[in-house]
Amino acid sequence: DIVMTQTPLSSPVTLGQPASISCRSSQSLVHSDGNTYLSWLQQRPGQPPRLLIYKISNRFSGVPDRFSGSGAGTDFTLKISRVEAEDVGVYYCMQVTQFPHTFGQGTKLEIK
Amino acid sequence: QVQLVESGGGVVQAGRSLRLSCAASGFTFSNYGVHWVRQAPGKGLEWVAVIWYDENNKYYADSVKGRFTVSRDNFRNTLYLQMNSLRAEDTAVYYCVRGGGRTVTYYLDYWGQGTLVTVSS
Repeated sequence: DIVMTQTPLSSPVTLGQPASISCRSSQSLVHSDGNTYLSWLQQRPGQPPRLLIYKISNRFSGVPDRFSGSGAGTDFTLKISRVEAEDVGVYYCMQVTQFPHTFGQGTKLEIK
Repeated sequence: QVQLVESGGGVVQAGRSLRLSCAASGFTFSNYGVHWVRQAPGKGLEWVAVIWYDENNKYYADSVKGRFTVSRDNFRNTLYLQMNSLRAEDTAVYYCVRGGGRTVTYYLDYWGQGTLVTVSS
């Protein structure tokens, strides 16, 4: 199974400041079709997860442009350019390149 | 708009069975693979199973293989998860999630609100 490791596990951030979360996979996430199926999800308190980013860097419909994704191979990053109060929650990276699909442990974003 | 509504959760004794349902609307259900993802209380996300658009292929997490069966009814726009031989560690909120494609999971784009399954020992 592909193990997804996120750092940090907790991230206190000041409103209006940037935030960054890293995700590393135990093996390459490049699919045989040439795509890399790495997604980022946000889970606000008491809510189901919500897709933010897919295929490393593509923002899903309705996601603000302060969210961006980057990376390649086994190393990926989610960045929030200016954190807002509504961004509080847990962020997960996820790979759907291979079965079983696997998630990172989650990174809790909180406001200082 | 895309909606996924899970039902069937509840409290069940260890070793017993339970069937979850997920009613889909707002999209052409028969064109998408659909997944189950679970989340134990206070824990992270765990992928459970997927069924492709035409039921020809199904994949499971090792933790549920041989005990859980995913199925779908494309006429009723409904996804199912038959859970047998339940264990305490199956206690979780179970989410029904749309995959981004018919036979490839490009991403998991729409999530239901989830249904809680509690397995008591």
